[in-house]
Amino acid sequence: AQTVTQSQPEMSVQEAETVTLSCTYDTSENNYYLFWYKQPPSRQMILVIRQEAYKQQNATENRFSVNFQKAAKSFSLKISDSQLGDTAMYFCAFMKGMAGGATNKLIFGTGTLLAVQP
Amino acid sequence: SAVISQKPSRDICQRGTSLTIQCQVDSQVTMMFWYRQQPGQSLTLIATANQGSEATYESGFVIDKFPISRPNLTFSTLTVSNMSPEDSSIYLCSVRGGPTGETQYFGPGTRLLVL
Repeated sequence: AQTVTQSQPEMSVQEAETVTLSCTYDTSENNYYLFWYKQPPSRQMILVIRQEAYKQQNATENRFSVNFQKAAKSFSLKISDSQLGDTAMYFCAFMKGMAGGATNKLIFGTGTLLAVQP
Repeated sequence: SAVISQKPSRDICQRGTSLTIQCQVDSQVTMMFWYRQQPGQSLTLIATANQGSEATYESGFVIDKFPISRPNLTFSTLTVSNMSPEDSSIYLCSVRGGPTGETQYFGPGTRLLVL
């Protein structure tokens, strides 16, 4: 069974600085997807970034980028130039590749609460 | 990405009653997913709802407690039956999209408090 581990329950960063959130996962699959979701106080789950396991290049979305280390099964999220609006719970998630069946589940980590300080 | 709406956005209910949550998507989707997020916890999948067939429930969730309807390709409902305070959670509807249908998008959630 696949598992996702986020070892940092809480983190804090100063506005405009850079922060990295950690995520590790365990799987025997070779084809899968990894995601970071953000859940601000409004409780809306917002997709931040996604990574296909078959792609070596790390995904980037504006200030958000990942460090995907497939051999180490590590998928960290880097937030550059942190903004107050980045304050949220961040969830790392894993899903097997679609070839394994359309009903593959999205498996979440326990989350990291990030506070951006002014 | 799909635009997903849920009703109600929040509710306070008495134990023993039932609440039906509605989920509307702005495009046709094959599968819709219902998640529960208990206070301070991560998301747990309740069931997957396909149009025209019975929903598939995850371990620990049963149809009698969480009946689901899926009358068409843009709409689904989740009912939380015979509620107890332990059912106080956020319930989220979700659909898949993206280039190969692998990305899940979530509705705004329904925050339920059972007294």
